[in-house]
Amino acid sequence: GEDVEQSLFLSVREGDSSVINCTYTDSSSTYLYWYKQEPGAGLQLLTYIFSNMDMKQDQRLTVLLNKKDKHLSLRIADTQTGDSAIYFCAESFSGGYNKLIFGAGTRLAVHP
Amino acid sequence: NAGVTQTPKFQVLKTGQSMTLQCAQDMNHNSMYWYRQDPGMGLRLIYYSASEGTTDKGEVPNGYNVSRLNKREFSLRLESAAPSQTSVYFCASRRISGSFGNEQYFGPGTRLTVT
Repeated sequence: GEDVEQSLFLSVREGDSSVINCTYTDSSSTYLYWYKQEPGAGLQLLTYIFSNMDMKQDQRLTVLLNKKDKHLSLRIADTQTGDSAIYFCAESFSGGYNKLIFGAGTRLAVHP
Repeated sequence: NAGVTQTPKFQVLKTGQSMTLQCAQDMNHNSMYWYRQDPGMGLRLIYYSASEGTTDKGEVPNGYNVSRLNKREFSLRLESAAPSQTSVYFCASRRISGSFGNEQYFGPGTRLTVT
């Protein structure tokens, strides 16, 4: 079945890089997404990667996809206090209702 | 554009009471979704509507009903609330075409407590 797993908590110092990891079980996904949720707010799409890509860079964000190991990561360079939030990875599947399967979310805490 | 809006933001119900959560989007999206978010878990799909006039069950539909009133609005109803329905509820809508494939836009959420 489809399952997405993430570690629940990550703490980094301001200015360092953060790496948030995600593993998934179903390799038939078409896209993989990273969403950000700030306190009291809805989810905001940060970035995505198509399943036939290995890497995608978008300003301070780098997404790496290892299809063989079913591993997805999000690297945030020069992490700032404004990056403190919960980060969700999600797999997308075509067909049917194009469902999204979410991980439980990683809470990123940035300290001075 | 307001994007996806939800009302109310907060609600407290007693067991057995009913209520309707409202959702509207102004992006002319065809598909709309209702999720619930519980601590330590990812979002789980309750119901979805692929287009105006259609609704289908997601992973956790028991205890809920939905109405796709028109293209803009998709409401979620709890007929007889139970403490297990204490959660944060998110509505989302989706672009059909575009580079993201399945990009979903989320509302700010409704925090519901059932006592």
